[in-house]
Amino acid sequence: DAMVIQNPRYQVTQFGKPVTLSCSQTLNHNVMYWYQQKSSQAPKLLFHYYDKDFNNEADTPDNFQSRRPNTSFCFLDIRSPGLGDAAMYLCATSRADYEQYFGPGTRLTVT
Amino acid sequence: AQSVTQLDSQVPVFEEAPVELRCNYSSSVSVYLFWYVQYPNQGLQLLLKYLSGSTLVKGINGFEAEFNKSQTSFHLRKPSVHISDTAEYFCAVSSSSGGYNKLIFGAGTRLAVHP
Repeated sequence: DAMVIQNPRYQVTQFGKPVTLSCSQTLNHNVMYWYQQKSSQAPKLLFHYYDKDFNNEADTPDNFQSRRPNTSFCFLDIRSPGLGDAAMYLCATSRADYEQYFGPGTRLTVT
Repeated sequence: AQSVTQLDSQVPVFEEAPVELRCNYSSSVSVYLFWYVQYPNQGLQLLLKYLSGSTLVKGINGFEAEFNKSQTSFHLRKPSVHISDTAEYFCAVSSSSGGYNKLIFGAGTRLAVHP
């Protein structure tokens, strides 16, 4: 089945230690999104890629970066995680402006 | 600017009872409307969507929603809920912008189905 895959499902990192979260898709969608969802809150868009074009939301901290080496993969890099970055990180994909398909998420814990 | 208001943060209901989760939106342009469900420690699953056409939209798991343009609402309904429907439900609005959809989510409604 075509799907959006996120690895790992649970990630523990130390305060200030760089961490990378991974997303892959078999849907061949051209748009990939990263969302941050804190406890009991709605998902908040961090950035998205339209093909190779990177689009950052205005209020996304510089601490968060992303890479998309090919159509199938997209990575979220947190350069220096703080305690406030503990959250569920959701990857989603879409074919242009059609509906988004979400992965299962990676729950990040910062110790 | 677009926004979404989910009027109830929590909705408790007994099994086999009907339920309505309320959603109001504001937008100055034509919008697409969505309902997503999120089970604990899972991603979001699309329940249903309104893009155009019939205002009554049927989705998965027996859910349906009605788009009401004059009241700017998109309420979600199910005639008879199951224990397995216990989850967080998010209403979202989007408009096509530069070839992608930016989703604006409501704060979510936690549906708790009791036996």
